[in-house]
Amino acid sequence: EVQLVQSGAEMKKPGESLRISCKGSGYSFTNNWISWVRQMPGKGLEWMGRTDPSDSHTIYSPAFQGHVTISPDKSINTAYLQWSSLKASDTAMYFCARHRDNAFDIWGQGTMVTVAS
Amino acid sequence: SYELTQPPSVSVSPGQTARITCSGDKLGEKYICWSQQKPGQSPLLVIYEDRKRPSGIPERFSGSNSGNTATLTVSGTQAMDEADYYCQAWDSGTARWVFGGGTKLTVL
Repeated sequence: EVQLVQSGAEMKKPGESLRISCKGSGYSFTNNWISWVRQMPGKGLEWMGRTDPSDSHTIYSPAFQGHVTISPDKSINTAYLQWSSLKASDTAMYFCARHRDNAFDIWGQGTMVTVAS
Repeated sequence: SYELTQPPSVSVSPGQTARITCSGDKLGEKYICWSQQKPGQSPLLVIYEDRKRPSGIPERFSGSNSGNTATLTVSGTQAMDEADYYCQAWDSGTARWVFGGGTKLTVL
């Protein structure tokens, strides 16, 4: 079964760092790009950026450039989303998704990140 | 920046046809996909490349895309189809994926 399994929910304080993960299985991980998508409470989907696990080439939405880092580790079929200094406004559900045929065909189950003092 | 516009809500009676639109400049020149999201769940792809259905998606879901408007059509709508629906497209001009704001489909 093709799936993306994300790491568990996180509670952090403002200014702390965080890395969440997305592990692919059931397919050749380097064959498909992985995107990260943010969903703030009660809001819609926002594309953050995507990475190519085969060569680590990564592009970002201008809205997230400089605030997050997206990276893959093809040796363990995992993509990461990380922050060096969290803000309260980073509180959201984060999804990873696999690219295929001009769409996101497989989504992870989501990781809830809560940032509060 | 490129924008996709969806109506916030659409209501339909069970068994009727629901149409959800997505508008954007020259949208017909891009591939559009649609995802369904039920409360507490991750999104599920229901239409890709304008009109193709992934394996396991019921035939009652169909799509079209022309001019400035793409449409997701749900024929014979069922209660289980009640969800938020998002259109999505790649904007080559800004090199980013763009989502519509989402449409809440209510089956009355």
